[in-house]
Amino acid sequence: DTGVSQNPRHKITKRGQNVTFRCDPISEHNRLYWYRQTLGQGPEFLTYFQNEAQLEKSRLLSDRFSAERPKGSFSTLEIQRTEQGDSAMYLCASSLLEGQYFGPGTRLTVT
Amino acid sequence: DAKTTQPTSMDCAEGRAANLPCNHSTISGNEYVYWYRQIHSQGPQYIIHGLKNNETNEMASLIITEDRKSSTLILPHATLRDTAVYYCIVRVAAMNYGGSQGNLIFGKGTKLSVKP
Repeated sequence: DTGVSQNPRHKITKRGQNVTFRCDPISEHNRLYWYRQTLGQGPEFLTYFQNEAQLEKSRLLSDRFSAERPKGSFSTLEIQRTEQGDSAMYLCASSLLEGQYFGPGTRLTVT
Repeated sequence: DAKTTQPTSMDCAEGRAANLPCNHSTISGNEYVYWYRQIHSQGPQYIIHGLKNNETNEMASLIITEDRKSSTLILPHATLRDTAVYYCIVRVAAMNYGGSQGNLIFGKGTKLSVKP
């Protein structure tokens, strides 16, 4: 399968813990995006990479959130000191030109 | 904020054409119309995009009005697997933004229910 993959698919954590998610984009895609989606809402943009450079960050991305794409391939999204409000589906997408291709998402539940 | 207006929900009979409307009256000259859909518990799926000419691919057709203030996504023969939330998004084309403005702004979309 050559689509976007995300790991883990589900994560349950206690409030205050740190979590890290991984996204592996489609191999030739140079652009990578992170979105967050809560129940009943459309996805909300978090951040965007072109190759290894982080070019855009939403104001939703508080200082507890950090994203990296060290070699321009896979990316990680870390949330420090998780809060219950961080519970959501975290989606990764990649693109080469037009059309963003999304992974299945990581569902985070903070208890 | 999303720049598009879509109906909250629509029903369609299986095998019939599903016509999903979208209003984007403030669209700029360099903005394209994109359609994505999201089947329950999956990530969004790119469907089609266009600037001003009608477009067709293996999934759907996109009809854009001459004044570009509205468009319609057509699924010619809807199946039960087409039940999803459909999002209409306007945005500068990726090839034109040179690395910035990369994000998609999703609204609430149209929940399409295809019924047997």
